[in-house]
Amino acid sequence: GNSVTQMEGPVTLSEEAFLTINCTYTATGYPSLFWYVQYPGEGLQLLLKATKADDKGSNKGFEATYRKETTSFHLEKGSVQVSDSAVYFCALTRQGNLIFGKGTKLSVKP
Amino acid sequence: DGGITQSPKYLFRKEGQNVTLSCEQNLNHDAMYWYRQDPGQGLRLIYYSQIVNDFQKGDIAEGYSVSREKKESFPLTVTSAQKNPTAFYLCASSTGQGTGELFFGEGSRLTVL
Repeated sequence: GNSVTQMEGPVTLSEEAFLTINCTYTATGYPSLFWYVQYPGEGLQLLLKATKADDKGSNKGFEATYRKETTSFHLEKGSVQVSDSAVYFCALTRQGNLIFGKGTKLSVKP
Repeated sequence: DGGITQSPKYLFRKEGQNVTLSCEQNLNHDAMYWYRQDPGQGLRLIYYSQIVNDFQKGDIAEGYSVSREKKESFPLTVTSAQKNPTAFYLCASSTGQGTGELFFGEGSRLTVL
C-alpha cells in the first residue's frame, strides 16, 4: 500500500544554513505529494504540493520536486531562519485521503 | 475569519469515561477528518466524512465514534473502549476528498489519568 518515509529528526541548524529533509514514498499509481508544517502548539498547514512527476512545489523559500524515478519528494530551503523551527510532514494521497510520514522536527539556532 | 475550531484545547478524563471532542468549520467544506497524533508516529486517520450523514472508518477507528449531522460539525467521541486514548487530536476539512489540501484546527490534547 501507499506509504511515506521521512528522515528522522531532530534536525538542528544554524540560521542561514541549507536545509534538506528527505522524503521517499511507496505508491501504486501516481499520488499527489505534499509537505505540511506544524508550528509549536498549532495544527498543520499546507506548505507546498506537487501533483505529477517533475512538478516542483514552492512556497516561502521552500521547494520540493516530485521525482518518480527515485520515488522522492525532498524538501529544501537555501537559507533557514529561526522562524522556520517546526515539525515538517511529508504526505501523499491514498484512495482520496492523506497518508502522513512521521514528521521531522527542525530547530534553527540564531 | 473562516477556519476550524476545536474544543476543548486541553482535556483530562478518568479511565472508563467517554469524552467528546468538538470540531466546527465555517469554510463550507464538504469533507472533514479526524487524525490522532502521537510522538514519533506522525498522524493517523481515525474517521472521515465526505458528506452530511455519512462517514467512513480510517486506519485506527476502534474505540472511537463520530457523527456528521450538520455540514459544519464533526464531533469525535473517545470511548472507554479505546485502550490508549492519551494523544493529540486534530480535526481537518477540505473542499472535497482527494484534493489533499487540508485545513487543520489547532488540536485538542486529551490526557487520561
